[in-house]
Amino acid sequence: KAGVTQTPRYLIKTRGQQVTLSCSPISGHRSVSWYQQTPGQGLQFLFEYFSETQRNKGNFPGRFSGRQFSNSRSEMNVSTLELGDSALYLCASSLARAGANNEQFFGPGTRLTVL
Amino acid sequence: QQQVKQSPQSLIVQKGGISIINCAYENTAFDYFPWYQQFPGKGPALLIAIRPDVSEKKEGRFTISFNKSAKQFSLHIMDSQPGDSATYFCAAARLNRDDKIIFGKGTRLHILP
Repeated sequence: KAGVTQTPRYLIKTRGQQVTLSCSPISGHRSVSWYQQTPGQGLQFLFEYFSETQRNKGNFPGRFSGRQFSNSRSEMNVSTLELGDSALYLCASSLARAGANNEQFFGPGTRLTVL
Repeated sequence: QQQVKQSPQSLIVQKGGISIINCAYENTAFDYFPWYQQFPGKGPALLIAIRPDVSEKKEGRFTISFNKSAKQFSLHIMDSQPGDSATYFCAAARLNRDDKIIFGKGTRLHILP
């Protein structure tokens, strides 16, 4: 069974640009969560999508948005990029709603560098 | 109240030694405490988890110790090996809820050969 895939793996953008990251969950998984990982802050939750609806949201500005398609694939968009957005963006999928009852499986991440 | 505090930030242990990573939480509603292991270039993966009805859980060389009254839990890696070198995250969540899992900031562990 294929794992969670994320594309692209690496991305370099400049301040003010926007970026779209893609995540394909494990087949059959309906929940996709996004996290931002930085050395100083660890893993910070961005949002969760389940059945094409955002179910949970972290404390990030509105520049961070996402969506989920009917095949459970998800995209995350960051507009007006800032230097501080440089991070590893991780996607995780689970069979049902993410949480203690359903193990999350993480992808390898997209490394975003903002210059 | 939603925080999970993890220490140390980084840890160096000799091969064969015991690696210990500590976490503390504030929200007494948390009742599920997983640990994740992340190797370079990979996403985190669930390593071991504990519920507060037990004080210890062991899987191979990995043991979680849980102290409910102190609101603390720790990961012990016995007979640490160079292959254990990774970043470890503790986390907390509520069972039977659709809440997000709260992660600690991570510990970078390096085992000297």
